[in-house]
Amino acid sequence: EVQLVQSGAEVKKPGESLKISCKGSGYSFTSYWIGWVRQMPGKGLEWMGIIYPGDSDTRYSPSFQGQVTISADKSISTAYLQWSSLKASDTAMYYCARHVPPGIAEPWGQGTLVTVSS
Amino acid sequence: EIVMTQSPATLSVSPGERATLSCRASQSVSSNLAWYQQKPGQAPRLLIYGASTRATGIPARFSGSGSGTEFTLTISSLQSEDFAVYYCQQYNNWYTFGQGTKLEIK
Repeated sequence: EVQLVQSGAEVKKPGESLKISCKGSGYSFTSYWIGWVRQMPGKGLEWMGIIYPGDSDTRYSPSFQGQVTISADKSISTAYLQWSSLKASDTAMYYCARHVPPGIAEPWGQGTLVTVSS
Repeated sequence: EIVMTQSPATLSVSPGERATLSCRASQSVSSNLAWYQQKPGQAPRLLIYGASTRATGIPARFSGSGSGTEFTLTISSLQSEDFAVYYCQQYNNWYTFGQGTKLEIK
């Protein structure tokens, strides 16, 4: 079974750094892009960026370029999303999803809730 | 950026009836269009890709149609488990989602 399992919920203060993870199993992790999607409270879905774990080729949505860093460690089949300095506006649920060419997201991880509050 | 617009924002339908959800793209996306279902507290789930192909395990009551800029998701006979939020997503030029349609019980 293809599965993506994300790290647990986080509560952080503004200005702190954070790295959340997404571990893939049941398929060749290095052969599919992994994407990250933000869902702010009560809102819709927004693509943040994608990474190809095979060679770490990374693409960002213009809205998120420079705001987050996406990375992957293929040796442990895990993708990451990180922030160097969190803001209250980063409070959201973050999902990872496997990309099946040419851009279909399936399956999705269970989501990681990030809360940023002073 | 391609903007996806879904209508209506909320759709109230009785169980057993048909639901029709619309999605419009600001420019042609060919058939590079997917539909996702999201229930409260859950991750989205892929329903339809290529505008009209059901994903694995998706019941036949879900169908998609359209190409270019106009797309439709139809649920032929609503079951209780179908009340959720539905998103369309284009993958012709990067990836963008619509704002969602909430399907609620009438």
